[in-house]
Amino acid sequence: QQQVKQSPQSLIVQKGGIPIINCAYENTAFDYFPWYQQFPGKGPALLIAIRPDVSEKKEGRFTISFNKSAKQFSLHIMDSQPGDSATYFCAAREGGADGLTFGKGTHLIIQP
Amino acid sequence: GAVVSQHPSRVICKSGTSVKIECRSLDFQATTMFWYRQFPKQSLMLMATSNEGSKATYEQGVEKDKFLINHASLTLSTLTVTSAHPEDSSFYICSANPPGNTEAFFGQGTRLTVV
Repeated sequence: QQQVKQSPQSLIVQKGGIPIINCAYENTAFDYFPWYQQFPGKGPALLIAIRPDVSEKKEGRFTISFNKSAKQFSLHIMDSQPGDSATYFCAAREGGADGLTFGKGTHLIIQP
Repeated sequence: GAVVSQHPSRVICKSGTSVKIECRSLDFQATTMFWYRQFPKQSLMLMATSNEGSKATYEQGVEKDKFLINHASLTLSTLTVTSAHPEDSSFYICSANPPGNTEAFFGQGTRLTVV
């Protein structure tokens, strides 16, 4: 059973555009929702994270929108650049001592 | 940010042999570390939670005797893939949270190829 559903699977955006990646979850006990960026052959790196008591969080060009009632959250990348081309994963965690449940990932390509 | 280091980054081993992967927290102590497995172009799947000084907690479907985890100190956890087979070939990644920090820091991963 997939606990965190991520879409789209792949995404191509022109430079300067705003790619949007969406995730949905079922487990209402999740209380921490991070987004990770992963380049081939590397471990994931945290981009931004949000807790359910906040509806939006912005850090640099990355924004998370969170809809608690719909159990959905999304990542927006402003002014996207070719260097942003990577695989992006949403994740969720229930409690600070638990491991993360990851979405299936979105392969993002930013075209010059 | 905090640093988590894995070693080796790549390893090739023969079928039937065992391989040990190390995960170290370089600038913080971690009572808990996590091990994930990632197949090509797929997501990370939590395998087990490594607990310092006690037994690891394995996720459903992960063979304890196949994937031995030892967390002997506050900065080191090891994952040993025993009697490796080609289907064990994968990218193994560990993570840890600094004390009082919700952020999970990941190692750079270990690419295991079993031939």
